[in-house]
Amino acid sequence: DAKTTQPTSMDCAEGRAANLPCNHSTISGNEYVYWYRQIHSQGPQYIIHGLKNNETNEMASLIITEDRKSSTLILPHATLRDTAVYYCIVRPPRDDKIIFGKGTRLHILP
Amino acid sequence: EPEVTQTPSHQVTQMGQEVILRCVPISNHLYFYWYRQILGQKVEFLVSFYNNEISEKSEIFDDQFSVERPDGSNFTLKIRSTKLEDSAMYFCASRPGQGVESGNTIYFGEGSWLTVV
Repeated sequence: DAKTTQPTSMDCAEGRAANLPCNHSTISGNEYVYWYRQIHSQGPQYIIHGLKNNETNEMASLIITEDRKSSTLILPHATLRDTAVYYCIVRPPRDDKIIFGKGTRLHILP
Repeated sequence: EPEVTQTPSHQVTQMGQEVILRCVPISNHLYFYWYRQILGQKVEFLVSFYNNEISEKSEIFDDQFSVERPDGSNFTLKIRSTKLEDSAMYFCASRPGQGVESGNTIYFGEGSWLTVV
């Protein structure tokens, strides 16, 4: 029961901004948008999350549309180490677990 | 930066043997999880654990699986009689809980790779 839709794969040139889109048209008012990534053979790594407002941390920025039906994760200056599968996850505030989809496989090209 | 640590990083076991995977969650976290990822497939939820009991489990988490928090720091996953299809990467995770900033954010360990032969 997918709550999010992401492109299967994307390429981005090293040093450029990587913009990863996510559609979540059925999101409810109290559901958060979380982003994780999984670098090959490693554990999922938390990146950022948000509810309504745009968010920024040392790793990335999260832009959520006003109607909250989609969001974009921005890696401002992509490096080769950002090559990974990126997961966009919609989650109620009191839901105990995270359900992973297939995510977007991001390739950073030298 | 605090992190979830898992041991062993890789274990090879014979079919039918018991396996225990160990995890040390982040200190002061209250909620604990196990996930697994079969090679080439999605990360799948197995079980969540809070206040010394299972709070939720998936269909995958059948009677062959059990979890335990034997002391104040460790969280273990036991597979009683391993099958070939149990070969996967197993991830432990934890989160702080309500009442703290980002209390709902789940942090994952680097995984234990289990190979059943």
